[in-house]
Amino acid sequence: DTAVSQTPKYLVTQMGNDKSIKCEQNLGHDTMYWYKQDSKKFLKIMFSYNNKELIINETVPNRFSPKSPDKAHLNLHINSLELGDSAVYFCASSQDSLTGELFFGEGSRLTVL
Amino acid sequence: KQEVTQIPAALSVPEGENLVLNCSFTDSAIYNLQWFRQDPGKGLTSLLLIQSSQREQTSGRLNASLDKSSGRSTLYIAASQPGDSATYLCAVSGAAGNKLTFGGGTRVLVKP
Repeated sequence: DTAVSQTPKYLVTQMGNDKSIKCEQNLGHDTMYWYKQDSKKFLKIMFSYNNKELIINETVPNRFSPKSPDKAHLNLHINSLELGDSAVYFCASSQDSLTGELFFGEGSRLTVL
Repeated sequence: KQEVTQIPAALSVPEGENLVLNCSFTDSAIYNLQWFRQDPGKGLTSLLLIQSSQREQTSGRLNASLDKSSGRSTLYIAASQPGDSATYLCAVSGAAGNKLTFGGGTRVLVKP
C-alpha cells in the first residue's frame, strides 16, 4: 500500500502548455511538500502545506500553483511550461510541520520539449 | 543561508567493507538531520532521523552520528552488500516548517 503516491510518473509536453501533477498520502500526516530535483540531482523545496494552509513558498515563479483540497492531497499546477521546468518533482509528507520525518513519493519526471 | 555538503560525491568499495559517508552543514541551528537513500529513477527512502538533541541513531547495519556544534554527521554502513548501491542524501531541517536543505548526495557502488 503506497504511502505517498504521485501521478503521472512521466510527463512529456511542449513549451507553453499547462500541466498538473497530483499527490496523495494515506499516512494521516498534516504536512505535505513539493520538492524539485534538477538535472544535477540537487533537491530543493518549492512549497509546503500544513492542514491545507500554505506555510512555505520558496520564491517559486507564479506559473507554479499548488492546491491542497484536503490535508491528504497536494497538487501542483504549472502554467506556460518552459524548458527549464524539466526536472523530477517529488511530493512528500510529514506528521507535522516542525520536526517530523519526511516520506517521499516516487517522483514525477517532467520533460518539456 | 544553510548549505549542506556531502563528501565524497562518489564511492566504490568491495562487498563486505564498511562504508563511511560524510555530511557537513554550515548553520548548526538545526531541528533535525535525516539520511535518505535514492535508487536510480526512484523516490527517496528515509533511513534515519536524528533529532537535534540526539547524538546518534541506529537501525540494523546503519548508524548515523550527529555533532551539531561542528556541523557534521556521519553515516556508517557495516559490512556493505551490493544491494547497498544507491545514492545517499543527507538533509537538515533548520526552521519552522520542516524545510529540508539537501546535500548533493554520495553515489555508492558496492562491488560483489
